[in-house]
Amino acid sequence: NAGVTQTPKFQVLKTGQSMTLQCAQDMNHNSMYWYRQDPGMGLRLIYYSASEGTTDKGEVPNGYNVSRLNKREFSLRLESAAPSQTSVYFCASSGGVSRIETQYFGPGTRLLVL
Amino acid sequence: AQTVTQSQPEMSVQEAETVTLSCTYDTSESNYYLFWYKQPPSRQMILVIRQEAYKQQNATENRFSVNFQKAAKSFSLKISDSQLGDTAMYFCACMEYGNKLVFGAGTILRVKS
Repeated sequence: NAGVTQTPKFQVLKTGQSMTLQCAQDMNHNSMYWYRQDPGMGLRLIYYSASEGTTDKGEVPNGYNVSRLNKREFSLRLESAAPSQTSVYFCASSGGVSRIETQYFGPGTRLLVL
Repeated sequence: AQTVTQSQPEMSVQEAETVTLSCTYDTSESNYYLFWYKQPPSRQMILVIRQEAYKQQNATENRFSVNFQKAAKSFSLKISDSQLGDTAMYFCACMEYGNKLVFGAGTILRVKS
């Protein structure tokens, strides 16, 4: 039982390049989330998916797109990377059976945009 | 909108002693959850403890306990018998209906031997 996994662990991009961050969970959770963590700040929600087939914007969605591929997988895409998107990205999932659920996090992806 | 404030950017404590990390929050909801997450140098986010707002009793998990003051919107974390492995960044977070977490800026805790 791996929990929440993320790939890649680390990536360097040039400004304008695109990439997709992958996230998968094996806990049969309904809800999945993408956060970014910047120095001196807590995690901020980019997008979330309350259930398979649905996605919604969080606090900082500009410059990102997401796909809930199936119940297990939730990807985050940067279409044209900018230096302001240099950050550590975390994926999380939660059960979604109750109204409020504990979120479990992946190990993070460190992204550097030059 | 929810806000979470952690007013202590850094703290240090001697091994085996007790330390308290502060957190205040603001929410308009009557039902919500509060969390403390630990982030060690590995960057993994690890759940430490959680508190349901409707419960009067303070949550405890082994050496970790909270002091939840609902009227004051305060949610502090007490770590007893501090260990070197407790060295980490600690985040306080609030979750309302809809399962969206709002995090504080974090407190770096250093445990000294």
